Amino acid sequence: QFQLQESGPGLVKPSEALSLTCTVSGGSISSVNYYWGWIRQSPGKGLEWIGIVHNTGTSHYNPSLRSRVSISLDTSKNQFSLMVTSVTAADTAVYYCASPRYYYDSAGRIDFWGQGTLVSVS
Amino acid sequence: QSVLTQPPSVSAASGQKVTISCSGSKSNIEYNYASWYQQFPGAAPRLLVYDNNKRPSGIPDRFSVSKSAASATLVITGLQTGDEADYFCGTWDTSLSAFIFGGGTKLTVL
Repeated sequence: QFQLQESGPGLVKPSEALSLTCTVSGGSISSVNYYWGWIRQSPGKGLEWIGIVHNTGTSHYNPSLRSRVSISLDTSKNQFSLMVTSVTAADTAVYYCASPRYYYDSAGRIDFWGQGTLVSVS
Repeated sequence: QSVLTQPPSVSAASGQKVTISCSGSKSNIEYNYASWYQQFPGAAPRLLVYDNNKRPSGIPDRFSVSKSAASATLVITGLQTGDEADYFCGTWDTSLSAFIFGGGTKLTVL
């Protein structure tokens, strides 16, 4: 149903901000059934959930990243964005945009994934 | 260290069955359904199985899940070489108000 595509710079300097955009096609990000969010994967490592937002304004962030991360929706462009501030080498990863199923007080399965984009901090 | 615990690797012969465990706690798997994701090298993860043995269109019924208290298990029968991939479990953690993943399991088909 939904197709997701990440875009943004592949190289960010330490201490600067990382900014990525996910363009959604095949449906509207105003859908009540889905959150819109980001997941990352450091080279050779597992998946790390960053955060999600819903069209109603509900958001949930990884507690370990909450102070540096924000996700915003642009319904006019059917896009959503990620910003990570004060990056270090530890933020080097493949960043995936994704859409988990929306539930009132939680999130369910992740139905749709972008192809991922590598961001290096150096 | 992941909140959900998976074995780093499993292996089995072609045609056989393999299980991959995902162990959690009362705040996650015990009260929330787990979902499982398959990831091939260089590709994005894809949803494999979720909730009570539901599969997206195109996923064969060779992939199934079972659950016991705070643990979920992915079962793959009739193993094929094309099943070689990394497998991740994930679920909502009520205490963290966050979605969490297991560390991933690399499946080798002998």
